[in-house]
Amino acid sequence: AQSVTQPDIHITVSEGASLELRCNYSYGATPYLFWYVQSPGQGLQLLLKYFSGDTLVQGIKGFEAEFKRSQSSFNLRKPSVHWSDAAEYFCAVVYNAGNMLTFGGGTRLMVKP
Amino acid sequence: DTEVTQTPKHLVMGMTNKKSLKCEQHMGHRAMYWYKQKAKKPPELMFVYSYEKLSINESVPSRFSPECPNSSLLNLHLHALQPEDSALYLCASSQISGGTDTQYFGPGTRLTVL
Repeated sequence: AQSVTQPDIHITVSEGASLELRCNYSYGATPYLFWYVQSPGQGLQLLLKYFSGDTLVQGIKGFEAEFKRSQSSFNLRKPSVHWSDAAEYFCAVVYNAGNMLTFGGGTRLMVKP
Repeated sequence: DTEVTQTPKHLVMGMTNKKSLKCEQHMGHRAMYWYKQKAKKPPELMFVYSYEKLSINESVPSRFSPECPNSSLLNLHLHALQPEDSALYLCASSQISGGTDTQYFGPGTRLTVL
């Protein structure tokens, strides 16, 4: 069964510091991978997605993610975090086009001033 | 316009009440979804409509009844709910059904069952 793991439940970073949120997927086939962000009381917004090709994917709001098959990872990065980035971040995976999204447990990001 | 709207934003209901949640999109998407999200948890898929037909029901109790009157509207009818059904209910839409197509989410309806 498809699954995705986000090892960090909470992460706190200082404003202006760099950020990396971890995501690991299971299963052997090449997955379709997504990062969504959810601000408090809001729905989810897609930050970026990886289907194939260049393993470094650029997204909105200055985020990027790198697909590493050897590590079964799709970590999200941002070079300089802003206070408005404080939110819940979900990694999600799909293995076949007909399947639905499977979400990881989420990582709550807090930003210190 | 990439907006999915949901009404109401908040809903409090008793276990004997009947209420409905509404979702609307005008992006021409042919797939619409209902998710349930408990606090500090990821969204869980409940139903998928594709071309106005129910294509996926993730073993959701019959006290939740979805309806897709047309390609822009999605309703979730609620009846005889339990307190454990209290959650954020998210609607989403995508061009076509399937996890690879970008899903656009609404802000959700926060439901409290007393």
